[in-house]
Amino acid sequence: GEEVAQTPKHLVRGEGQKAKLYCAPIKGHSYVFWYQQVLKNEFKFLISFQNENVFDETGMPKERFSAKCLPNSPCSLEIQATKLEDSAVYFCASSQYYGTGGNQPQHFGDGTRLSIL
Amino acid sequence: KQEVTQIPAALSVPEGENLVLNCSFTDSAIYNLQWFRQDPGKGLTSLLLIQSSQREQTSGRLNASLDKSSGRSTLYIAASQPGDSATYLCAVITGGGNKLTFGTGTQLKVEL
Repeated sequence: GEEVAQTPKHLVRGEGQKAKLYCAPIKGHSYVFWYQQVLKNEFKFLISFQNENVFDETGMPKERFSAKCLPNSPCSLEIQATKLEDSAVYFCASSQYYGTGGNQPQHFGDGTRLSIL
Repeated sequence: KQEVTQIPAALSVPEGENLVLNCSFTDSAIYNLQWFRQDPGKGLTSLLLIQSSQREQTSGRLNASLDKSSGRSTLYIAASQPGDSATYLCAVITGGGNKLTFGTGTQLKVEL
């Protein structure tokens, strides 16, 4: 598709439950990124993929968070044993990427709002 | 560690005014800088991308400039319209990776 598609738009979970978010990147884009927006304008990088391979996971919390991008499937971000502090909007982005540092813009989805009660 | 700051945090202008949004970054070793807008409850819309070797980019009423050595970028919006009301974010890619480091954002309101 021509847009990054994220599902669901909203997700509500009780503390301790599992949450799973999905992202379909723009067709032809080989890089996928996950960002967390906790406060209004505070974005935190979580992880990026080059096709199905992890490219950079320096932002991923060591425990509870995992992500995958498998061929012919939407990418996913899964949070085990959710905590109140996981409440945030999770954005997925994709880009074509040539050369070091990236010469192509990242295009963002509309995000998934995760609320932990 | 790269830090990105945007000034002002909020701005209210009458329709038709030309305006400038500022973005500064602490580490000048960036690969590119991207400007976004975010509407309430929505994702980020990419506005302009400036490569580190470029000085400016233009799209319609928008013009973004980059002074890498001084760690600054500006977004110029000409003849502002109420539809321009949104939060504007700048973000940079630094170092060997491709992750974005975001600024603090400028909330713009254009009034009739």
